[in-house]
Amino acid sequence: RKEVEQDPGPFNVPEGATVAFNCTYSNSASQSFFWYRQDCRKEPKLLMSVYSSGNEDGRFTAQLNRASQYISLLIRDSKLSDSATYLCVVITGGSYIPTFGRGTSLIVHP
Amino acid sequence: NAGVMQNPRHLVRRRGQEARLRCSPMKGHSHVYWYRQLPEEGLKFMVYLQKENIIDESGMPKERFSAEFPKEGPSILRIQQVVRGDSAAYFCASYAGETPWNEQFFGPGTRLTVL
Repeated sequence: RKEVEQDPGPFNVPEGATVAFNCTYSNSASQSFFWYRQDCRKEPKLLMSVYSSGNEDGRFTAQLNRASQYISLLIRDSKLSDSATYLCVVITGGSYIPTFGRGTSLIVHP
Repeated sequence: NAGVMQNPRHLVRRRGQEARLRCSPMKGHSHVYWYRQLPEEGLKFMVYLQKENIIDESGMPKERFSAEFPKEGPSILRIQQVVRGDSAAYFCASYAGETPWNEQFFGPGTRLTVL
């Protein structure tokens, strides 16, 4: 089993739709979680950290489920500009070495 | 992510040649990560450096790859005797070393193509 797994997609959704991605991790000692966004042929950019209690930033909501070992990202009211690949990142406690998921591709169409 | 520079942005090498990738971190940042992204794959950690010190190189292939971050000048990722499988995007990321991990900034990447 891979350390961090994501459904590669693509997720094809119309503008205005709500879409959710999950990311599962295998190491129960994982402590820090993040979502990054990567546009085609560009560098990753931090979208948001994921906190135990869940957190929201505008149209984006991130949640952590430690019992089932997954994190999720919910995007409401999708925009064309949300089209990108979304990478989840996991860091094990005490480590500075991040493990990236393969990414989930989102395509928002008119 | 403004301020992290990588050069060259595109590099073409023939099999057996050497590739040198440079990363200039943001001003005031003394820590650099290098990552590799193969086509259709996620980013893979390669090495974590502080100026004049390799902190963790557990993600580096055992042969042909080396990295350094001298006291002065950019961090360099060096690949000797390149093979086609080395074709990938190589990203570096810098941060100050005293902030949470996520506060690191990625450079635009170097796309290496091995013919």
